Amino acid sequence: DGGITQSPKYLFRKEGQNVTLSCEQNLNHDAMYWYRQDPGQGLRLIYYSQIVNDFQKGDIAEGYSVSREKKESFPLTVTSAQKNPTAFYLCASSTSWDRYNEQFFGPGTRLTVL
Amino acid sequence: AQKITQTQPGMFVQEKEAVTLDCTYDTSDPSYGLFWYKQPSSGEMIFLIYQGSYDQQNATEGRYSLNFQKARKSANLVISASQLGDSAMYFCAMREQLLIYNQGGKLIFGQGTELSVKP
Repeated sequence: DGGITQSPKYLFRKEGQNVTLSCEQNLNHDAMYWYRQDPGQGLRLIYYSQIVNDFQKGDIAEGYSVSREKKESFPLTVTSAQKNPTAFYLCASSTSWDRYNEQFFGPGTRLTVL
Repeated sequence: AQKITQTQPGMFVQEKEAVTLDCTYDTSDPSYGLFWYKQPSSGEMIFLIYQGSYDQQNATEGRYSLNFQKARKSANLVISASQLGDSAMYFCAMREQLLIYNQGGKLIFGQGTELSVKP
């Protein structure tokens, strides 16, 4: 089955630690995205990537980093510089930069800082 | 700047009745796409329906239809014959124009509306 997988589903981090959230897709999509969702809020874009080895900052990139070494994978690292990292993180992908293609989302990772 | 506004934090509807979820948007771009997503309590985002700014007809997908009023910049979601499984958060989103290669494709989301379907 084609889709997007995110791991882990739940992640606990101590303050001062970096953590990496995994996102893998087998949909052969060119574009991938990371969003952050806080309770009762909409999604905000952290980073996005159109092609391998290229990515751009979204609206709230501070304290996060990404890589895109493979088309299928777009991991997100939450660094210790992120002041308030506790949130729900969603990864998405889409077929191309055609504006009419919807984004498909993974199941999400819930990160809690202890 | 592009913006999506959902003014209804929560809505209740009786099972089998229709409900309209409001969405207004702001953009100076003549070309854009509007999306509705459903987010159940499990957290995943489920794509429901899409409307392009140049589409002549309102989009429909099964029990979902989009009441698109371009001049008023509104894109309301209509759910007919509500079911208990429709209880979820609903998000309206807009996709930016893609004229500039490295600045396109992003979705801008509203704050969401929590729909509760009563039996």
